[in-house]
Amino acid sequence: DAGVIQSPRHEVTEMGQEVTLRCKPISGHDYLFWYRQTMMRGLELLIYFNNNVPIDDSGMPEDRFSAKMPNASFSTLKIQPSEPRDSAVYFCASSLGLVGGSHKNEQFFGPGTRLTVL
Amino acid sequence: QKEVEQDPGPLSVPEGAIVSLNCTYSNSAFQYFMWYRQYSRKGPELLMYTYSSGNKEDGRFTAQVDKSSKYISLFIRDSQPSDSATYLCAMSRSGNTPLVFGKGTRLSVIA
Repeated sequence: DAGVIQSPRHEVTEMGQEVTLRCKPISGHDYLFWYRQTMMRGLELLIYFNNNVPIDDSGMPEDRFSAKMPNASFSTLKIQPSEPRDSAVYFCASSLGLVGGSHKNEQFFGPGTRLTVL
Repeated sequence: QKEVEQDPGPLSVPEGAIVSLNCTYSNSAFQYFMWYRQYSRKGPELLMYTYSSGNKEDGRFTAQVDKSSKYISLFIRDSQPSDSATYLCAMSRSGNTPLVFGKGTRLSVIA
């Protein structure tokens, strides 16, 4: 398996523009996570899906952010309109399950999308 | 107070040194503890996994959990320049909750 695939790897856009980040999870994984990483706040969970259904979106900063998972092999994170404070590295991760029991249910992370909003 | 606290560093050590990385947490319900390693411009990858209290050793790496003190540690023996990375602790309450990550500690091992 190629691992978690994210695109684009880098995105530079201007304030007010719509940004769409894409993720292909590892085949067979039931959970998909979107994270945002900044120096100030570290790695923050934005939203996660189980079997394509959003389970917890309490980490989504505001209504400008939305995420979808139309099928088991694809998810998007959209920011509309984008603002300079959205500049960060956005990671997608997938796992077989949540941590628990005898299973570590390791999360596998993609390479990230580095977003810069000017 | 954040649920998980981790000193961001940076921490710089000479090659061969023993490195100690630590996290404290406030939620006594955490049961599953992990350490992820993140190389520059890469995604984090799982390094160590521990359930409840105790120690776990894997090669040069040892993870310790002290639930009474709400304190976890990662020790790296005979550190190498290839260990230079950011180390993030992560923990979870149960099988129905996602991981909570620390901010990460940036480590540099100087040859």
